[in-house]
Amino acid sequence: EAGVAQSPRYKIIEKRQSVAFWCNPISGHATLYWYQQILGQGPKLLIQFQNNGVVDDSQLPKDRFSAERLKGVDSTLKIQPAKLEDSAVYLCASSPRLENAFYTDTQYFGPGTRLTVL
Amino acid sequence: AQKVTQAQTEISVVEKEDVTLDCVYETRDTTYYLFWYKQPPSGELVFLIRRNSFDEQNEISGRYSWNFQKSTSSFNFTITASQVVDSAVYFCALSGDNQGGKLIFGQGTELSVKP
Repeated sequence: EAGVAQSPRYKIIEKRQSVAFWCNPISGHATLYWYQQILGQGPKLLIQFQNNGVVDDSQLPKDRFSAERLKGVDSTLKIQPAKLEDSAVYLCASSPRLENAFYTDTQYFGPGTRLTVL
Repeated sequence: AQKVTQAQTEISVVEKEDVTLDCVYETRDTTYYLFWYKQPPSGELVFLIRRNSFDEQNEISGRYSWNFQKSTSSFNFTITASQVVDSAVYFCALSGDNQGGKLIFGQGTELSVKP
């Protein structure tokens, strides 16, 4: 079974430029997550989708970050305009079931996209 | 509030030594889930184990073992007879009920196993 795919693996941009990341979850997985991992820290959730609906985007800086999951499969995360502090690894994860209040499924992660903002 | 603390930032051992990675968590939820992930230099987070709060049985998988103690809010991870391939950053994570699957990660422990 193929794992979570992400592209690009690396991206270097100037501040104030725009950038987009792509994620293809494990086939059939209903829930998709984007995490930001700053160097030396644990990942932090940015946004969670169930199928193509947003479940939690409370920690997404909505003035510059946006994300979508069209048709409940692939997802893109965009930053516009980028700031120096956005330099991080952006991880996509997926889990098989729809999450609910009584159950937490296991999340499987992709290789991440390492973003450097100069 | 939910919190995960991994007090050990870096650990260095020599191959074949046993090593224990500590994880302490805080939650007010009665039902919650604990996870360990491994992050090798390639960057991908690799799932190792998942435990729910009602299952306090210790688990052993090959050279890996996990000790879950609710009384001390700890979920420690031991690698027996460490190998160079075990070198990675290890993360402990928590998800409580009503969190909809959101994982709260610790800061990670970087393990270096030297030959």
